[in-house]
Amino acid sequence: DVKVTQSSRYLVKRTGEKVFLECVQDMDHENMFWYRQDPGLGLRLIYFSYDVKMKEKGDIPEGYSVSREKKERFSLILESASTNQTSMYLCASSFLQGGQPQHFGDGTRLSIL
Amino acid sequence: AQSVTQLDSHVSVSEGTPVLLRCNYSSSYSPSLFWYVQHPNKGLQLLLKYTSAATLVKGINGFEAEFKKSETSFHLTKPSAHMSDAAEYFCVVSDNTNAGKSTFGDGTTLTVKP
Repeated sequence: DVKVTQSSRYLVKRTGEKVFLECVQDMDHENMFWYRQDPGLGLRLIYFSYDVKMKEKGDIPEGYSVSREKKERFSLILESASTNQTSMYLCASSFLQGGQPQHFGDGTRLSIL
Repeated sequence: AQSVTQLDSHVSVSEGTPVLLRCNYSSSYSPSLFWYVQHPNKGLQLLLKYTSAATLVKGINGFEAEFKKSETSFHLTKPSAHMSDAAEYFCVVSDNTNAGKSTFGDGTTLTVKP
């Protein structure tokens, strides 16, 4: 089975902190994605990556950056956390070919105080 | 361009009765379509996928969906609801030219009454 592992299930940080969310997949997928999920707003794509060191902005990249130094690992960085970044963050991965399903981790529920 | 509309934000059924969750899509190309389920505080789990093979797709846990090109629909059904089916369901369209990017519906919350 595909395994997408997010490093933390719950995380509490303070405003202004630099926050790292880590995601690792074990299926040799080329694509990796970061979403945030908020009530009433559905899933919104923050960033995605289709190869090592490659990244593309999604729909809501402001306030976030990403890093992909190895194929299996995709990190989301909140440069200076703010309270409006309190959310559920979901990582996903898929093969590069179009039309492939994405496989999701269990999510990180992040609270910024 | 691609889009997906889940026609009901909430659906409530009694245990043992059929489930119907409705999804319409729009795509400039032949799309791939998916249904995912999300239980509370969990990630999304793939239920089934349509990728231009058979129009009736069977998934896990007794769910199935039928691709109807003429109606641009991909409704999810199950003959008999179980309490464990209570969750949020997402319809997803993927344009096969878009290298893996997908568009998610807003979700349908399924409640199952005993």
